[in-house]
Amino acid sequence: DGGITQSPKYLFRKEGQNVTLSCEQNLNHDAMYWYRQDPGQGLRLIYYSQIVNDFQKGDIAEGYSVSREKKESFPLTVTSAQKNPTAFYLCASSISGAGRYEQYFGPGTRLTVT
Amino acid sequence: RKEVEQDPGPFNVPEGATVAFNCTYSNSASQSFFWYRQDCRKEPKLLMSVYSSGNEDGRFTAQLNRASQYISLLIRDSKLSDSATYLCVVNGYGSSNTGKLIFGQGTTLQVKP
Repeated sequence: DGGITQSPKYLFRKEGQNVTLSCEQNLNHDAMYWYRQDPGQGLRLIYYSQIVNDFQKGDIAEGYSVSREKKESFPLTVTSAQKNPTAFYLCASSISGAGRYEQYFGPGTRLTVT
Repeated sequence: RKEVEQDPGPFNVPEGATVAFNCTYSNSASQSFFWYRQDCRKEPKLLMSVYSSGNEDGRFTAQLNRASQYISLLIRDSKLSDSATYLCVVNGYGSSNTGKLIFGQGTTLQVKP
């Protein structure tokens, strides 16, 4: 089955700790994206990657870091510098990063930091 | 002005009703348009792409009006299972937004028995 997987589904961390969220896709898509969604709000773009070994900041990149060493994988690290890390994190992919193609989402990771 | 604007609702309709959502976008150079559906605490799922000529998929019809820069979604014969939030999505264009999709905040639909 082709798709996007994110793990874990729920994640709990103490303040001050870095945490890495996993995102893997087997759709052979070139582009991958990370979004954050807060209750009652829309999706906000954190980082995106149009090709392996390259990525760009989105609208709210501060306090986050990413890597894209393999086409299939785009992990997101939430660092201790992120002031309000508790949120629903969504990973997506698309055929290419030209912005003309629909994006497909993974099931998301709910991160709670206390 | 937001890049993609939607009426958040909620729209409360009885089963069997026809309901329409509109969405306006600010960038006249945008070329791709989509409707996504998001259920509570789940990921968004692509409902349909929107083509210039308008397109229909079963009970769902999407239309694009480039001159007025709005997109619409019509749902006929509403089912209880249509209750969800509907996201209007437009591709970004220009130096800061190229390669991105811009998501509206969503319109919530509640279909009542």
